[in-house]
Amino acid sequence: DVKVTQSSRYLVKRTGEKVFLECVQDMDHENMFWYRQDPGLGLRLIYFSYDVKMKEKGDIPEGYSVSREKKERFSLILESASTNQTSMYLCASRASGAYNEQFFGPGTRLTVL
Amino acid sequence: AQSVTQPDIHITVSEGASLELRCNYSYGATPYLFWYVQSPGQGLQLLLKYFSGDTLVQGIKGFEAEFKRSQSSFNLRKPSVHWSDAAEYFCAVGALAGGSYIPTFGRGTSLIVHP
Repeated sequence: DVKVTQSSRYLVKRTGEKVFLECVQDMDHENMFWYRQDPGLGLRLIYFSYDVKMKEKGDIPEGYSVSREKKERFSLILESASTNQTSMYLCASRASGAYNEQFFGPGTRLTVL
Repeated sequence: AQSVTQPDIHITVSEGASLELRCNYSYGATPYLFWYVQSPGQGLQLLLKYFSGDTLVQGIKGFEAEFKRSQSSFNLRKPSVHWSDAAEYFCAVGALAGGSYIPTFGRGTSLIVHP
């Protein structure tokens, strides 16, 4: 059974802290994605990666960075967390090719106080 | 740039009633279309997808969707809704961006099922 796992389901951090969200997939997928999900706004793409050490900005990259040192792992980093980054964060992976769907992790609900 | 519109933020149906969730897309080339479902507290799961061929696509959990190029639509349907179908539904279009196919999601439709 294919799987995308995220390091935490719930996370509470303080303003200014550095936050790491980890995502691991076991499907040998080339593409990995980070989204944030907010009520009424749907899924907004933060960053994606199409290969190891490769990354591309999505629609809302400000305040975030990413790291992909191994094919199976894609990390989202909040350098200095702010309250407006309180959100649900979803990771996804996908094999290359237009027809392939994304597989999503269960999400991390991050609260920044 | 591609876009996806889901006109209905919330839809309420009675259990056993039929369901149609609307999705309109904007994309200049042949679209790759997806419907996902998100149960409370969970990630998204694929219901069905359209790439080419038969414009009526069957998915999991008894869902189907029809691609209508002339209307730029990909509406999701189910003939009889079950209480367990209460969830958030997202339509997405996959479009070429910088050499990769990046899905663009609609804002979602929340389905409420009354007993």
